[in-house]
Amino acid sequence: GQQVMQIPQYQHVQEGEDFTTYCNSSTTLSNIQWYKQRPGGHPVFLIQLVKSGEVKKQKRLTFQFGEAKKNSSLHITATQTTDVGTYFCAGQTDSNYQLIWGAGTKLIIKP
Amino acid sequence: DTAVSQTPKYLVTQMGNDKSIKCEQNLGHDTMYWYKQDSKKFLKIMFSYNNKELIINETVPNRFSPKSPDKAHLNLHINSLELGDSAVYFCASSQSGTANEKLFFGSGTQLSVL
Repeated sequence: GQQVMQIPQYQHVQEGEDFTTYCNSSTTLSNIQWYKQRPGGHPVFLIQLVKSGEVKKQKRLTFQFGEAKKNSSLHITATQTTDVGTYFCAGQTDSNYQLIWGAGTKLIIKP
Repeated sequence: DTAVSQTPKYLVTQMGNDKSIKCEQNLGHDTMYWYKQDSKKFLKIMFSYNNKELIINETVPNRFSPKSPDKAHLNLHINSLELGDSAVYFCASSQSGTANEKLFFGSGTQLSVL
């Protein structure tokens, strides 16, 4: 079936270091969404990418959608303690509106 | 005002019991969902309703029965609870369940089956 692979599962960084999570789909996506789930919280929508090669920025967060619309990344520059949480990607295809979720990447800030 | 609210927040119960989780959204959305998040944080869709009609029914034991009395409410009833049902259950909603729509999640119900 359709899958979205997300790596890494965990990433430990020192505060101030960068963080990146990657998603790769087995099929072409019509769009990809990113969500953040704080510890003990619920997923919160961050952004949606629709166009091939699209890049969007939200302050220190940079989101990219691949040219083939099969992969996406989220990069955080100079992480802060408020960035801690699990980041999920979720994609849709043209044939199915059901979101296909990645497994999430947990960002852990080392003390 | 909370956009998607679900109750209870915590549910601790014995194996074999029957329990319900309630969800309400005040966003005027047509589509509501139930997701299960296991200990590894993987989000798995269970059900989706559009305007009170069942749209998505993933491979879920028939002990789980959703009910949507109106488009603003989607409840989840679980019969004969098992240890493996322990998880966080999230309710969510979206405008119409079509393309390019973001999901709004409730705060979750942490179910512990003892």
